[in-house]
Amino acid sequence: DTAVSQTPKYLVTQMGNDKSIKCEQNLGHDTMYWYKQDSKKFLKIMFSYNNKELIINETVPNRFSPKSPDKAHLNLHINSLELGDSAVYFCASSHNRGWETQYFGPGTRLLVL
Amino acid sequence: SQQGEEDPQALSIQEGENATMNCSYKTSINNLQWYRQNSGRGLVHLILIRSNEREKHSGRLRVTLDTSKKSSSLLITASRAADTASYFCATPYGGATNKLIFGTGTLLAVQP
Repeated sequence: DTAVSQTPKYLVTQMGNDKSIKCEQNLGHDTMYWYKQDSKKFLKIMFSYNNKELIINETVPNRFSPKSPDKAHLNLHINSLELGDSAVYFCASSHNRGWETQYFGPGTRLLVL
Repeated sequence: SQQGEEDPQALSIQEGENATMNCSYKTSINNLQWYRQNSGRGLVHLILIRSNEREKHSGRLRVTLDTSKKSSSLLITASRAADTASYFCATPYGGATNKLIFGTGTLLAVQP
């Protein structure tokens, strides 16, 4: 069974479009995260939710909007996509606090043309 | 920058050799974690060492932590081609903000 899953795995789209990435974890964890990994493999946290409550909102353009319908799901919607949004987006979860072991999804490779 | 740094950025060794990579960080921590990322995959947790521990082993992995120097090292013994991956250290940051800061990563290539 996949612990943290993301869909889609690949996303190719045009500038200006709106897209969503979905994430689900079946680990029973309370906290979920979105990370962005750039072409140099630099991994940066974007958002974190604990039990559906937003607890981390890094300096991210407001075109990015996370939504957590329940504690097992964390989706990421991106409006008006730009070339610089091209990256790999990872969802992750942890049992509770952010400094504990985190479990990562396989990533969504977004390419904006 | 909050980000930790890893050294070396890239490392190429032969199968059977040992690989050592280092991580330096900037703030006080309660633990330090190492993750592996195979090409095109997500990160996988390898080992967590707490601030009151100096050394920890897991299979062929040995991690050391020196809180006075704010540094850690990951040693992989008897490396295999399957160990080829990027390795990242991660440290907690920010108290109530509950987040991990990942290092810049070391790309390890193990030649068969």
